[in-house]
Amino acid sequence: DAGVTQSPTHLIKTRGQQVTLRCSPKSGHDTVSWYQQALGQGPQFIFQYYEEEERQRGNFPDRFSGHQFPNYSSELNVNALLLGDSALYLCASSLAAGAFSYEQYFGPGTRLTVT
Amino acid sequence: DAKTTQPNSMESNEEEPVHLPCNHSTISGTDYIHWYRQLPSQGPEYVIHGLTSNVNNRMASLAIAEDRKSSTLILHRATLRDAAVYYCILSMHSGYALNFGKGTSLLVTP
Repeated sequence: DAGVTQSPTHLIKTRGQQVTLRCSPKSGHDTVSWYQQALGQGPQFIFQYYEEEERQRGNFPDRFSGHQFPNYSSELNVNALLLGDSALYLCASSLAAGAFSYEQYFGPGTRLTVT
Repeated sequence: DAKTTQPNSMESNEEEPVHLPCNHSTISGTDYIHWYRQLPSQGPEYVIHGLTSNVNNRMASLAIAEDRKSSTLILHRATLRDAAVYYCILSMHSGYALNFGKGTSLLVTP
């Protein structure tokens, strides 16, 4: 059973460009959350998707947007990249309900470098 | 959101128990206490969670103070693989946003 997978592993972008990161949740999971982790800091919550809609959002500007597909996979889009967007982007999947809805499974992350 | 306070770092010898403290004096009655850990170059992984009672699982134990204003994650026998950053997190709902702080960096020495 594959866990949470993310692509790409690394990428380098130039300031002002746009980027799309992808996430496939753990088999059977229906909820996807995205986090940003700057170097030396804990992950910061960006948003969460359930039933193809944004269910909860953290304190991130509108440049950060997302999408969830019918197969529960998800994309994170960042427009007009800034140097400060350089970070590890983590995807986590979970179940919306049920006995194990408390546990979020994290992927290995995508390392984004903005130059 | 209620905040948590953890020591920046702790050190333990291999095969000894480790007690990782967390203060959450502003916890509300519906806040769950979650612990996650992040090994080097990996995403965080779930360790344990609880609401009011002490909890045990195969990875660790969670001791929750009677007033719920503090909790302690207990690793019964630390191994080198337990070296990680440990995060204590409060969450009002299961499965909702996890607000990570800086966590405690645990160093395990042979």
